[in-house]
Amino acid sequence: GDSVTQMEGPVTLSEEAFLTINCTYTATGYPSLFWYVQYPGEGLQLLLKATKADDKGSNKGFEATYRKETTSFHLEKGSVQVSDSAVYFCALSFYNQGGKLIFGQGTELSVKP
Amino acid sequence: EADIYQTPRYLVIGTGKKITLECSQTMGHDKMYWYQQDPGMELHLIHYSYGVNSTEKGDLSSESTVSRIRTEHFPLTLESARPSHTSQYLCASSEYGADGPTDTQYFGPGTRLTVL
Repeated sequence: GDSVTQMEGPVTLSEEAFLTINCTYTATGYPSLFWYVQYPGEGLQLLLKATKADDKGSNKGFEATYRKETTSFHLEKGSVQVSDSAVYFCALSFYNQGGKLIFGQGTELSVKP
Repeated sequence: EADIYQTPRYLVIGTGKKITLECSQTMGHDKMYWYQQDPGMELHLIHYSYGVNSTEKGDLSSESTVSRIRTEHFPLTLESARPSHTSQYLCASSEYGADGPTDTQYFGPGTRLTVL
């Protein structure tokens, strides 16, 4: 079945460090890909998305590129801040399947001053 | 910013009690979802709805039930709560086609349920 695999956390970085969170997927077809973020005590918020191969999603300094050849959607940020501390979820969906999201297991990021 | 609300935010109850978790959205979205988030953070779809009087079970089997009598309201009910139901429950909604071919979901803040 379709699935999403993320790098395991927790990830601890110093402020202004470079961030990469790896995400790969297994799917029959070409899903839409998402990164959601969950801040402590809150629900999930959409961070960015991409709908087709080579699309780049970006928001708040975060970027991810839809790589069909490697079935990947890695999240990157050039300089993290303490306020970026949260749990990040990679997810996929197929619009012709009602848009149900399939999530990765989540990666906890902690940024220290 | 999405307008989707969940109440209560936190609930501690004893075994055997009946509970209803409320979820409401003011965006007029047709699709609504319930996810269960375990302590290890993984999210599992337990129920979804494509519109009024439409409900389906999700990928993770759940003893809970849902109803969709009004577009904006999608409550989840546990008839007899048990400690194994202790979890965080997240509600979400989406409008097909709002962003073209993608189907972005908007999440509520969640209800953290503890069953003693």
